[in-house]
Amino acid sequence: RKEVEQDPGPFNVPEGATVAFNCTYSNSASQSFFWYRQDCRKEPKLLMSVYSSGNEDGRFTAQLNRASQYISLLIRDSKLSDSATYLCVVNNQAGTALIFGKGTTLSVSS
Amino acid sequence: SQTIHQWPATLVQPVGSPLSLECTVEGTSNPNLYWYRQAAGRGLQLLFYSVGIGQISSEVPQNLSASRPQDRQFILSSKKLLLSDSGFYLCAWSPGGANYGYTFGSGTRLTVV
Repeated sequence: RKEVEQDPGPFNVPEGATVAFNCTYSNSASQSFFWYRQDCRKEPKLLMSVYSSGNEDGRFTAQLNRASQYISLLIRDSKLSDSATYLCVVNNQAGTALIFGKGTTLSVSS
Repeated sequence: SQTIHQWPATLVQPVGSPLSLECTVEGTSNPNLYWYRQAAGRGLQLLFYSVGIGQISSEVPQNLSASRPQDRQFILSSKKLLLSDSGFYLCAWSPGGANYGYTFGSGTRLTVV
């Protein structure tokens, strides 16, 4: 099992749609979880941390299920500007660094 | 505020040539520093990380090395580049370990020809 697995997509949705991305991780001892956004040919940027109780930031909601080792990101009312690759991120086995999934590509069209 | 700088932005190098990429952080002290590589169509691969001057941990044995000569300077090097070294090299920093999100530099796109 890969350390962090994501559906690569692409997810093609119209503006205003709700879209959900899922991610699974292999290290049951992981403590740190994040979602990053990466625009084409740019560096990844932190979108939000993921907390055990779930957390929301505007149109974005992140959920963590430790029992299933599963993380999700929900985007409501999609905007054209949401088009990007979304990276699921988990700390490594030693807790010394972050492991990035390959990302899920989202394309929002008008 | 903290900023991270990477240069150059783009680099085209012949096979067998040396490489030196530099990353510096401003506005903080004793940051954790990281080098990642993103090959075309692939995910980010952790190459090296450093928790202090002269302290380097290598995650993947390969044709690259890293050094941290100063607190806020991280250098990625190679003596002889291979075609497979092509990719998008990203430096990142965090105030601590993996409990903190990382901030990335703008990256260096390296093409080995």
